[in-house]
Amino acid sequence: EAGVTQSPTHLIKTRGQQATLRCSPISGHTSVYWYQQALGLGLQFLLWYDEGEERNRGNFPPRFSGRQFPNYSSELNVNALELEDSALYLCASSAGQSGSPLHFGNGTRLTVT
Amino acid sequence: AQSVTQLGSHVSVSEGALVLLRCNYSSSVPPYLFWYVQYPNQGLQLLLKYTSAATLVKGINGFEAEFKKSETSFHLTKPSAHMSDAAEYFCAVSGSGGYNKLIFGAGTRLAVHP
Repeated sequence: EAGVTQSPTHLIKTRGQQATLRCSPISGHTSVYWYQQALGLGLQFLLWYDEGEERNRGNFPPRFSGRQFPNYSSELNVNALELEDSALYLCASSAGQSGSPLHFGNGTRLTVT
Repeated sequence: AQSVTQLGSHVSVSEGALVLLRCNYSSSVPPYLFWYVQYPNQGLQLLLKYTSAATLVKGINGFEAEFKKSETSFHLTKPSAHMSDAAEYFCAVSGSGGYNKLIFGAGTRLAVHP
């Protein structure tokens, strides 16, 4: 069974540009979660999508947005990039039952120069 | 609100020694608790999870954790450390009702020396 896949692996952008990160969940999983792992800041929850809808959002500005497609894959968009957006962005998927663990991809390393 | 505190950002043990990584949680509802491991330049891998079926939970790679409600703790242990256990470990809590968003602790970096 294929795990969670993320693309690209690395992304280099300049300040002010937009970045698009992509995630394919495990087959059968309908929920997708995005986390930011910045140096010294730990794992911060960004967004949760389920059945195509945004269910919850972390404490991030509106320039962080995303969507979930009918096939449950997801996209994270970061507009007007700032230097502090440099981080590892992790996507995870889970089944819908309470207590289902999150399964993580290997992340996209975003570097903003 | 739920939260997780991991005591000790860095832990160093000798190969073959006991590994003990500490995690305390705060939750207003019966929690689901997890331990994840992250190797360099990789995502998070699930080690084990507590979902109220048993207080002592066994996971992969010889790790186990015990849920102690009275102490609000979920410490991770392994009897004998291997060099390959060197990584960062994260404790996490989620709520109920299909709300599986995880709140993570700050992580503990485990070093294993010969």
